[in-house]
Amino acid sequence: KAGVTQTPRYLIKTRGQQVTLSCSPISGHRSVSWYQQTPGQGLQFLFEYFSETQRNKGNFPGRFSGRQFSNSRSEMNVSTLELGDSALYLCASSLAAVAGNTGELFFGEGSRLTVL
Amino acid sequence: KQEVTQIPAALSVPEGENLVLNCSFTDSAIYNLQWFRQDPGKGLTSLLLIQSSQREQTSGRLNASLDKSSGRSTLYIAASQPGDSATYLCAVKDFGNEKLTFGTGTRLTIIP
Repeated sequence: KAGVTQTPRYLIKTRGQQVTLSCSPISGHRSVSWYQQTPGQGLQFLFEYFSETQRNKGNFPGRFSGRQFSNSRSEMNVSTLELGDSALYLCASSLAAVAGNTGELFFGEGSRLTVL
Repeated sequence: KQEVTQIPAALSVPEGENLVLNCSFTDSAIYNLQWFRQDPGKGLTSLLLIQSSQREQTSGRLNASLDKSSGRSTLYIAASQPGDSATYLCAVKDFGNEKLTFGTGTRLTIIP
């Protein structure tokens, strides 16, 4: 069974540009979450999607957005990039924490974004 | 607001020793608690998940315990090996929310 797949793995952008990251969840998982990891802030929750609907959102500016498609694949977009957006962006999928499910999250390898 | 703390931030132990990593959280109304391992530059690997109704979970040389009333969890690693060197993160999921709140991690180094 394939794990969570994130693309691209590495990318370099300049300030002011925008970037789109992609995440394919484990087959059958309908919940997809995104996290930002930086040395200073650790792992911070960005947002979570379930059945194409954003259910939860973290404390990030509106430059950070996402969406989920009918096949549960998800993308996140960051517009007007700033130096501080340099981070490892991690995607996780799960069956969602409902009765009968453990709610265990499985993470991808991440997309390493460097903003110059 | 849930807050998760892991102490110490770094730990070095000789190979073969048993060790305990600590995790504490402020709000006991959790759905589950998950322990992860992260190697440098890599994603997170799920090690163990403990549901709020459980007291412990075991997988191989790993054992995780949960005490909700005191807001604490421990990860016990038996007979440590150099391959166990990594950063270990604990994370809690609150009821009604898919969001995980992470601790800052413990960077573990096993000395051969």
